[in-house]
Amino acid sequence: GQQVMQIPQYQHVQEGEDFTTYCNSSTTLSNIQWYKQRPGGHPVFLIQLVKSGEVKKQKRLTFQFGEAKKNSSLHITATQTTDVGTYFCAMGAGSYQLTFGKGTKLSVIP
Amino acid sequence: DAGVIQSPRHEVTEMGQEVTLRCKPISGHDYLFWYRQTMMRGLELLIYFNNNVPIDDSGMPEDRFSAKMPNASFSTLKIQPSEPRDSAVYFCASSLPGARGIQYFGAGTRLSVL
Repeated sequence: GQQVMQIPQYQHVQEGEDFTTYCNSSTTLSNIQWYKQRPGGHPVFLIQLVKSGEVKKQKRLTFQFGEAKKNSSLHITATQTTDVGTYFCAMGAGSYQLTFGKGTKLSVIP
Repeated sequence: DAGVIQSPRHEVTEMGQEVTLRCKPISGHDYLFWYRQTMMRGLELLIYFNNNVPIDDSGMPEDRFSAKMPNASFSTLKIQPSEPRDSAVYFCASSLPGARGIQYFGAGTRLSVL
């Protein structure tokens, strides 16, 4: 079945440092979505990317979709303790079904 | 809207017992998904429905698992008999058609099978 590789699995940063997580797929995607799950919580939708090379920003978060629509990244500038959680990419391949990456667990040291 | 509602939030049961998890999707959403989350395997799709009809159940681990959606506002995931390896957090999510598959998750049911 379809798989999406997400790295790193864990990331510990000092508050104020930047953070990036990457997702890669072996197949071309119709869209990619990003979700955030706080400790003890549930995944919450952040953003969806659809177009090749698309870049979207949400305050300190920058999302990119690769030109070949096979990879994506999420970059957080100047992390804060409120950014703690696990960030998942989820790939859509044409249907409403999503395949989730394993997630990157972000810890922020104050 | 109250969002996706799951019950119970926590379930502790003994091996061999039947477990039923419940989900009420967001009104108007006609896609419903059941996921299982564990540390080892991450977030796995078990089954999903469209207009109350199961579309893909290839993620259901074995015959002990079954899911139903008798109407647009209710779905169940049943495990019978339960085993310790079924311990996980089970999420239900729903999606609105035309929203390119953006999914809204419930708070989850944390299942512990002793």
